[in-house]
Amino acid sequence: DTGVSQDPRHKITKRGQNVTFRCDPISEHNRLYWYRQTLGQGPEFLTYFQNEAQLEKSRLLSDRFSAERPKGSFSTLEIQRTEQGDSAMYLCASSLVGLEGGGEQFFGPGTRLTVL
Amino acid sequence: KQEVTQIPAALSVPEGENLVLNCSFTDSAIYNLQWFRQDPGKGLTSLLLIQSSQREQTSGRLNASLDKSSGRSTLYIAASQPGDSATYLCAVRQGADGLTFGKGTHLIIQP
Repeated sequence: DTGVSQDPRHKITKRGQNVTFRCDPISEHNRLYWYRQTLGQGPEFLTYFQNEAQLEKSRLLSDRFSAERPKGSFSTLEIQRTEQGDSAMYLCASSLVGLEGGGEQFFGPGTRLTVL
Repeated sequence: KQEVTQIPAALSVPEGENLVLNCSFTDSAIYNLQWFRQDPGKGLTSLLLIQSSQREQTSGRLNASLDKSSGRSTLYIAASQPGDSATYLCAVRQGADGLTFGKGTHLIIQP
């Protein structure tokens, strides 16, 4: 399967702990996005990378959140000092965007985070 | 700030019916619009992408239209099947950042 993959699929942690999620995009895609989805809501944009550069951050991305995409390949999203309000599904997406724009986004299966 | 609204929030119809899901957005300066389906507890599956210069896209039993000037899109599902049961999400892209999503339409197709 050459789609977007995410690891782990589920994570349960205690409040105050740090967690890290990984996303592997479709190999030729140059853009990678992180979203967060809570129950009954549509996904909300967090941040995105063009190759290895992080170009946009939503105001939802507090200073406890950090994302990296070393070498423009896989990406990690770390949450420090987790809070119960961080419980959500974290979704990763990738797309191929050229000079003509476009860029259909393809999503991974998500990582469901539960903070106790 | 872009806002996306989907109507209805939930819909239940008998198998075999044709149906229309609606999506509206407040800022017509979009780059493209995507329709997704999401099964419970799963990620999103892309159904159709419509560029801002296009009026509609078709894939199998699905047809999506876009009226950018009025800020509306519709997803038409022909001859619905129980396997079509899912939440359908509409999302628009503005500029270089991420998608703005509606809350979705929860669709149930009764066998």
